[in-house]
Amino acid sequence: DAGVTQSPTHLIKTRGQQVTLRCSPKSGHDTVSWYQQALGQGPQFIFQYYEEEERQRGNFPDRFSGHQFPNYSSELNVNALLLGDSALYLCASSHRSAGKQYFGPGTRLTVT
Amino acid sequence: QQQVKQSPQSLIVQKGGISIINCAYENTAFDYFPWYQQFPGKGPALLIAIRPDVSEKKEGRFTISFNKSAKQFSLHIMDSQPGDSATYFCAASYAGGTSYGKLTFGQGTILTVHP
Repeated sequence: DAGVTQSPTHLIKTRGQQVTLRCSPKSGHDTVSWYQQALGQGPQFIFQYYEEEERQRGNFPDRFSGHQFPNYSSELNVNALLLGDSALYLCASSHRSAGKQYFGPGTRLTVT
Repeated sequence: QQQVKQSPQSLIVQKGGISIINCAYENTAFDYFPWYQQFPGKGPALLIAIRPDVSEKKEGRFTISFNKSAKQFSLHIMDSQPGDSATYFCAASYAGGTSYGKLTFGQGTILTVHP
């Protein structure tokens, strides 16, 4: 049984560019949450998707957007990248919105 | 507003010793308290979790102690091993209202177990 998978593993972008990160949830899970983890910090909640809708959003600007597909996979898009967007982006999946959340390995984004 | 405070920032323990990490929360609506373990370059892995209707939960060498009145909970790692060396995060969430399971994390504790 595959766990949560994320792609790509690493990504280097230039300030002002746009990026798309992808996540496939654990089998049987229908909810995907995205977190940003800066170096040496705990993960910060970006938003959560359930039934293809954004259910809740953390304190992140509109440059951060997402999507969930009918197969429950999800994308995180970040526009107009800033140096401060450099971080590990984590995807977590769960069954229904309040279930235990299991994290993927993350995508390391570096903005230069 | 920091809603989950974790201490200590770092912890060094000898092999076989007990590691203790503490967390305090502010939001009394929180009803789910998980602990995650994270190795460098990896995503957090769920270790153990507790709900406020019990004061203690044990799974193998890992125990969560929960004090609802003090709004505090802690992770105890018995017989600590070098392989336990990692960063540990406490977290909290609640399923009611519009939170839909959003996890609020502590700042993390870097645990080093010396052989």
